Amino acid sequence: DSGVTQTPKHLITATGQRVTLRCSPRSGDLSVYWYQQSLDQGLQFLIQYYNGEERAKGNILERFSAQQFPDLHSELNLSSLELGDSALYFCASSVGRTDTGELFFGEGSRLTVL
Amino acid sequence: ELKVEQNPLFLSMQEGKNYTIYCNYSTTSDRLYWYRQDPGKSLESLFVLLSNGAVKQEGRLMASLDTKARLSTLHITAAVHDLSATYFCAASNYQLIWGAGTKLIIKP
Repeated sequence: DSGVTQTPKHLITATGQRVTLRCSPRSGDLSVYWYQQSLDQGLQFLIQYYNGEERAKGNILERFSAQQFPDLHSELNLSSLELGDSALYFCASSVGRTDTGELFFGEGSRLTVL
Repeated sequence: ELKVEQNPLFLSMQEGKNYTIYCNYSTTSDRLYWYRQDPGKSLESLFVLLSNGAVKQEGRLMASLDTKARLSTLHITAAVHDLSATYFCAASNYQLIWGAGTKLIIKP
């Protein structure tokens, strides 16, 4: 158990809908990262937050947004969903400001868009 | 721009054999990570390599780092079926940059 909690574990929805994925980082970790992993694909970095502020942005679509709250949990919002958004979405956390530290991953949220 | 290349991307091997996965990176990186992922599961940290010449071992897995060659290796000794997984390396400067992963299948 990495200490990073993600909910929901599984989510099935329809095209055009909107979903919110939630992540609670390890106790004491200030940085939260979101990754997307499509079937048999590598990891696509989406976005990083540090202590409530956006720190780095990767290949995140405009239909996607995220935030980190004062209690350090984070939410990833996916809207106007398309079939191609079906993927495993991972949250990871680390202690520091930059991601030069070890990342600890949650179990992921599997999103299926029908 | 830091880029990370792993090879091979796919490896099928017999139990009991030795093999090495290679991770090359293109520019200076201050540390190198190896992760394991079982199908449909989370990523588990295996090794963090912090300096040139660093070598770490855990069971049948050994990782090393040569910063001058910009190369890290993950060596598997006497492979067993339980080591079947996808292995990712990641290098770091300001951002963590991931390799594409090596899918390892170990056949009994």
